[in-house]
Amino acid sequence: EIVLAQSPDTLSLSPGERATLSCRASQSVSGSYLAWYQQKPGQAPRLLIYGASSRATGIPDRFSGSGSGTDFTLTISRLEPEDFAVYYCQQYGSSQLTFGGGTKVEIK
Amino acid sequence: EVHLLQSGGGLVQPGGSLRLSCAASGFTFSSYAMSWVRQAPGKGLEWLSSISGTGGTTFYADSVKGRFTVSRDNSKNTLSLQMNSLRAEDTAVYYCAKGQVNGIQSRFDYWGQGTLVTVSS
Repeated sequence: EIVLAQSPDTLSLSPGERATLSCRASQSVSGSYLAWYQQKPGQAPRLLIYGASSRATGIPDRFSGSGSGTDFTLTISRLEPEDFAVYYCQQYGSSQLTFGGGTKVEIK
Repeated sequence: EVHLLQSGGGLVQPGGSLRLSCAASGFTFSSYAMSWVRQAPGKGLEWLSSISGTGGTTFYADSVKGRFTVSRDNSKNTLSLQMNSLRAEDTAVYYCAKGQVNGIQSRFDYWGQGTLVTVSS
């Protein structure tokens, strides 16, 4: 099973600032099959990024993903009020899909 | 418009069983793998199981293997999760999710509304 470690646990930032979230895999993620999701309280997750760097339909371009192998990054270029939420990475390169533990982006 | 409507869930005693359902609409159901993901109170997401579009291939997380069974009825556009031998640690909100592509190993582009399962005496 591929274990995904997200850091930091919590990111305290102000609107307009840049957010950089990390997702590190215990072994190489095949085909860069890495996705990012956003989840707000009481809601289901929303797909943001797939294939490490492709934005899902309707996702603003302030969200970007990068990385390969074992190290992946989600960047939010300028935080909007609606971006404060919990973010999860997910790998789907193996038959045992796994999620990271999440990073909470909170208002400073 | 894609829609996943979940039903089932509720309170069950330890050792008991429960069946969750997910009714899909707005897409060709048989062409996409479907999955179940859960989230314990205040915790992160945990993938549980995936099933291919035909239903011929299934994958399970070790935490539920042998206790949970995923199935689908493509004639009724319905996904199910049969949960047996339930434990307190199975208490969570359970989500069904649609694969974005037709491979069973996929990211999830649509999610159900979630249903709470509470295992307690």
